Amino acid sequence: NAGVTQTPKFQVLKTGQSMTLQCAQDMNHNSMYWYRQDPGMGLRLIYYSASEGTTDKGEVPNGYNVSRLNKREFSLRLESAAPSQTSVYFCASSGRGTRGAYAGELFFGEGSRLTVL
Amino acid sequence: GENVEQHPSTLSVQEGDSAVIKCTYSDSASNYFPWYKQELGKGPQLIIDIRSNVGEKKDQRIAVTLNKTAKHFSLHITETQPEDSAVYFCAASKNSGKLSFGAGTTVTVRA
Repeated sequence: NAGVTQTPKFQVLKTGQSMTLQCAQDMNHNSMYWYRQDPGMGLRLIYYSASEGTTDKGEVPNGYNVSRLNKREFSLRLESAAPSQTSVYFCASSGRGTRGAYAGELFFGEGSRLTVL
Repeated sequence: GENVEQHPSTLSVQEGDSAVIKCTYSDSASNYFPWYKQELGKGPQLIIDIRSNVGEKKDQRIAVTLNKTAKHFSLHITETQPEDSAVYFCAASKNSGKLSFGAGTTVTVRA
């Protein structure tokens, strides 16, 4: 059981280049998230998708776009990368409990380390 | 928005001793408080969580306490072992996966 799979694991970009981080989950979860992790700042929510077909901004959405391709896949795109986007990016998913409410656990991928020069 | 502060940023304990990490939150509407453990090169993993209708929760060597009035919650690890060495994050949310994380605590257990 793979859980949450992110690709690529490492990427180096030049300022102004674009790229897409891919994420897929095999747990049949409704909700998916993109967080970024920076030293001394914990994890911050970039975008999330509560269910297939919906996406919403999180705390730090500027410079990013997302696509919820289907229930399994949620991609994060940097259209014009900037050095401030150097970070480790984590995709996560969560399901619902037996009564339909938030089940209370995020399942994270292993992260994608992005460096923008 | 929610602001979560976490202390200390680093913690070194002797194997067998206890470790305590404290967090405060700002939004009184937050009602879900998870703790995540992150090992080197891995994604965070949930270790315990507590909801606002409960004051304390235990799971073997780990426990979490919540004081809603003071808006703070704490993680307690007893009888620490080398495998407890990791980065620990507290978080808060209004019962959703849109978590606001603390900055993290690096715990080192000395043998």
